Order: sequence, then C-alpha cells, then structure tokens
Amino acid sequence: SQQGEEDPQALSIQEGENATMNCSYKTSINNLQWYRQNSGRGLVHLILIRSNEREKHSGRLRVTLDTSKKSSSLLITASRAADTASYFCASYQGNAGNMLTFGGGTRLMVKP
Amino acid sequence: EPEVTQTPSHQVTQMGQEVILRCVPISNHLYFYWYRQILGQKVEFLVSFYNNEISEKSEIFDDQFSVERPDGSNFTLKIRSTKLEDSAMYFCAGGGFQNTEAFFGQGTRLTVV
Repeated sequence: SQQGEEDPQALSIQEGENATMNCSYKTSINNLQWYRQNSGRGLVHLILIRSNEREKHSGRLRVTLDTSKKSSSLLITASRAADTASYFCASYQGNAGNMLTFGGGTRLMVKP
Repeated sequence: EPEVTQTPSHQVTQMGQEVILRCVPISNHLYFYWYRQILGQKVEFLVSFYNNEISEKSEIFDDQFSVERPDGSNFTLKIRSTKLEDSAMYFCAGGGFQNTEAFFGQGTRLTVV
C-alpha cells in the first residue's frame, strides 16, 4: 500500500512565490524525509524531521509534521527557477524498518 | 565529497538476457538499497541490504532479482532474464545508520528491447 501521498501532483508558480507541498502517510513513523529529484537524475536528500518534532527549517525550506493527522508539508520560500524538480516525501517501513518508501511526488515548475 | 557511483549510466539489453547493475556505495555506509523508477512514475523500493544479507524486499523483487556485495565495496543488482517491463531507471542508495538519510547514485537507465 502507498505510504506517502503527495499533494498536489503538480504545481506551477512564478519565481519569487512560495511553494507548498503536502504529504500524507498511513502508518507510524520514526521520521519523515523529503527528497528532490531533477529530471532523470538521482534523488537528493533535503531534510529529515523526527516524529517528536513539529517544524524544521533549512535555508529556504520549512517542513512541518503533524503526527495526529499523519501529514507533513514542505514549504519552499522565494522560489527560484532552479527549484524546478520533483519533490518526494519518504519514510521507513517494513518489518525490519529498512524499507525507505517514497510517495508519488509533486512536480514543481517555477517559471522565471 | 563522497558519492554513490553507478555503472553503466545506460544499458540496452535483449529480452531474456541477464544484466548486472553495479554500484559503489559511500565507503562507511552500512545500509544499501536498490530502487526502480519507470519513466514518469514513482520511485519503487526493491530491496535493502544490511550485514551482508537482504533486510527487506518488495513484491517486485522476485526470483528474477538478486543482490550481492561480493568484495565489501561493490553492490550489484542482477536481473536473470530481463523482460520488457524491466525497462526503467535503477537507483542505488546507501545510508550510514538505520532510519537516517539515504544517499542516491545517479542511476542506470536500463532499456530492454
């Protein structure tokens, strides 16, 4: 079953605007992570938020986590054309907890 | 900065042939993963590997797939008899500790014809 589902699936904004992406998950987590993927390239880790944290910042990124609603959001402030990419949330699942499972992703396009 | 290296970047193979995708993880990592991404679709977990054995595997990772870390550095994914639907990007990843960030390679694009 799908652990993480991102919303929206696609987002198009103008440079300078903020972009917000949401992720919902089904089972309990130790942490939730966000990754970025440029077209056809490998995934790059952006930020990790632990289950006992509610908000975390890294540069222009702000991540929130609401474990009661099993949801997280990624906010990119003052977006740039170079932020154009797909963004995925991910969490560890499985019997041994070693199955890092990704959601379907949000495709972000930032227009210059 | 250390990085995960995957070779080849692109491989074309005939249906029914065996392929081996190679990865050199970051040297001090302990957890290793293979993922598959069919064009335009989501990143699908295949297998995780820890302490020289498979830790988790998905339904995709059937008997046609196997993984090895034969020499303590290379981490390989073998597909015994490729099918057209195996065409995808395959990503290797690694992590230093359980439940932490994973570092990904740039992927191998496998095309089965």
